[in-house]
Amino acid sequence: GIQVEQSPPDLILQEGANSTLRCNFSDSVNNLQWFHQNPWGQLINLFYIPSGTKQNGRLSATTVATERYSLLYISSSQTTDSGVYFCAVVGAGGTSYGKLTFGQGTILTVHP
Amino acid sequence: NAGVTQTPKFQVLKTGQSMTLQCAQDMNHNSMYWYRQDPGMGLRLIYYSASEGTTDKGEVPNGYNVSRLNKREFSLRLESAAPSQTSVYFCASGRELLSYEQYFGPGTRLTVT
Repeated sequence: GIQVEQSPPDLILQEGANSTLRCNFSDSVNNLQWFHQNPWGQLINLFYIPSGTKQNGRLSATTVATERYSLLYISSSQTTDSGVYFCAVVGAGGTSYGKLTFGQGTILTVHP
Repeated sequence: NAGVTQTPKFQVLKTGQSMTLQCAQDMNHNSMYWYRQDPGMGLRLIYYSASEGTTDKGEVPNGYNVSRLNKREFSLRLESAAPSQTSVYFCASGRELLSYEQYFGPGTRLTVT
């Protein structure tokens, strides 16, 4: 099946810093989503971005489908950005049945 | 809109007990999913339903059954709970099966002793 790798695994920032999280995937995708899992365990949808670029406030994302990677940018980080960031994809192969395959996540800690 | 809701939020079971996790969505989505999240394993798909009246196995279906009661509701049943089923369970829904955004519920934290 499709493989998803995220980097870095851990990231520690001071409030106000910028960061870039990367997601590499091994095959063509029908769907790519970025999620933030907050300290209470909720999975919050950040972006649905199988290709192209999107922005939402301090967050933006770019997916280059032909090169099989996606980037999540966080600018002017805040302590509330802390948590785990997941990239998840639905492979374009016939056996994917809509299954989201998740990366292992990036643990982000933002210090005041 | 409430989005995707799940009950209960927390549950403790003894080995061999049974229980049903409930999930409902109010977004008129056709597809619904059950995932489990374990430390170091990410989220894995247990079962999915492409549309009302259909259900299919995902990658880790053993020990579980599901029912797509109607378009809104998709339940997950543990007939005889085992400690290996201690996990956080998430329900999700999407407009269609393959190419649309999935939305997740708040999760159910299950402990089997």
